[in-house]
Amino acid sequence: AQSVSQHNHHVILSEAASLELGCNYSYGGTVNLFWYVQYPGQHLQLLLKYFSGDPLVKGIKGFEAEFIKSKFSFNLRKPSVQWSDTAEYFCAVNRADKLIFGTGTRLQVFP
Amino acid sequence: EAGVAQSPRYKIIEKRQSVAFWCNPISGHATLYWYQQILGQGPKLLIQFQNNGVVDDSQLPKDRFSAERLKGVDSTLKIQPAKLEDSAVYLCASSPNRNIQYFGAGTRLSVL
Repeated sequence: AQSVSQHNHHVILSEAASLELGCNYSYGGTVNLFWYVQYPGQHLQLLLKYFSGDPLVKGIKGFEAEFIKSKFSFNLRKPSVQWSDTAEYFCAVNRADKLIFGTGTRLQVFP
Repeated sequence: EAGVAQSPRYKIIEKRQSVAFWCNPISGHATLYWYQQILGQGPKLLIQFQNNGVVDDSQLPKDRFSAERLKGVDSTLKIQPAKLEDSAVYLCASSPNRNIQYFGAGTRLSVL
């Protein structure tokens, strides 16, 4: 079945550690890709998006993601995490105007 | 600009009762979505409106769920009667261009 997979369900890091969250999708053809973040008690917010062009996209708060078409991947990265990055992160694919979400990755950053 | 407004934030009901959620999208956004997010899962689309017309309701359990957007602005989602498995967060989102979606804070429903 077509899907979006996030293999890391729960990630625990210390401040200043580097972060990489995996996202793989199984849709062929043209896709628009997103990472959303949900801070505790807050609504889903767009972190970054890829529509076309440079496969390395930069988002807010120092996050970036790389689209690798051959691997059907759109991994999220941050070189040095902060305690305030503690949140749940969702990868999503837009297909036919519909967002298909992964199951999410809960990130906990300890000072 | 004001974001997507949803109410109530929390709702606790007993099974077989009815419940309704309200959403006011960002002004000017023609497309409105309702999602269900069960604990531990990503949001799942229930229904999509374009203005006051339904674009996709293939994932909406129509025997108990209904939604409307009569004037093409705000929308209501109703569950009647509720089941235990309906416990979830119900998210509303709107979009100006059917590409980037902006989400509300959601309504957390607990069915006892």
